[in-house]
Amino acid sequence: GAVVSQHPSRVICKSGTSVKIECRSLDFQATTMFWYRQFPKQSLMLMATSNEGSKATYEQGVEKDKFLINHASLTLSTLTVTSAHPEDSSFYICSARDQAGKVDTQYFGPGTRLTVL
Amino acid sequence: RKEVEQDPGPFNVPEGATVAFNCTYSNSASQSFFWYRQDCRKEPKLLMSVYSSGNEDGRFTAQLNRASQYISLLIRDSKLSDSATYLCVVNMRGSASKIIFGSGTRLSIRP
Repeated sequence: GAVVSQHPSRVICKSGTSVKIECRSLDFQATTMFWYRQFPKQSLMLMATSNEGSKATYEQGVEKDKFLINHASLTLSTLTVTSAHPEDSSFYICSARDQAGKVDTQYFGPGTRLTVL
Repeated sequence: RKEVEQDPGPFNVPEGATVAFNCTYSNSASQSFFWYRQDCRKEPKLLMSVYSSGNEDGRFTAQLNRASQYISLLIRDSKLSDSATYLCVVNMRGSASKIIFGSGTRLSIRP
């Protein structure tokens, strides 16, 4: 199946710093990528939809100035958590949408575990 | 009402048993459906797509009932390795194209 990579897989940072997470589709082009957050024992929560060449669409309650998304190419989207705080500690997962086939499918990256001290 | 609803479980069944769970969706404009599997502290992985005619992949069978707006997943001859959280995913196409995840059903297979 299609492959999506995410980097870094784990990051620990001090409160107030910014953290950048990359999501790449390795063998297909993705005009749309998604960013999710998952807290322990909870379901995936969609944060925003990243559209190549245009602004991201944020879900209600997600601050666009805090979670900056850039989708500069058909294979790369980045999420920057600005001025991270301990409550931002979570598992961040991206997915890329493969619309080339008959069925529109999402493939997930392996996730980034963020710990803010 | 949530757009996609699943029984959170946990379903705790013995190895070899057959287990089934459903997922209901509220938007009749939903067009495609999937089951994903998520292991603890890992990302979700696509298990199977759900077609109108139903589909089977080995021990796994997925069905779609558009009239009642639910999809189901049946696992036969369950294995210990089937223990995971199963996520129902619904894709709505059109101008408000959106993919919605259910909160997942936890399945635990005991020896």
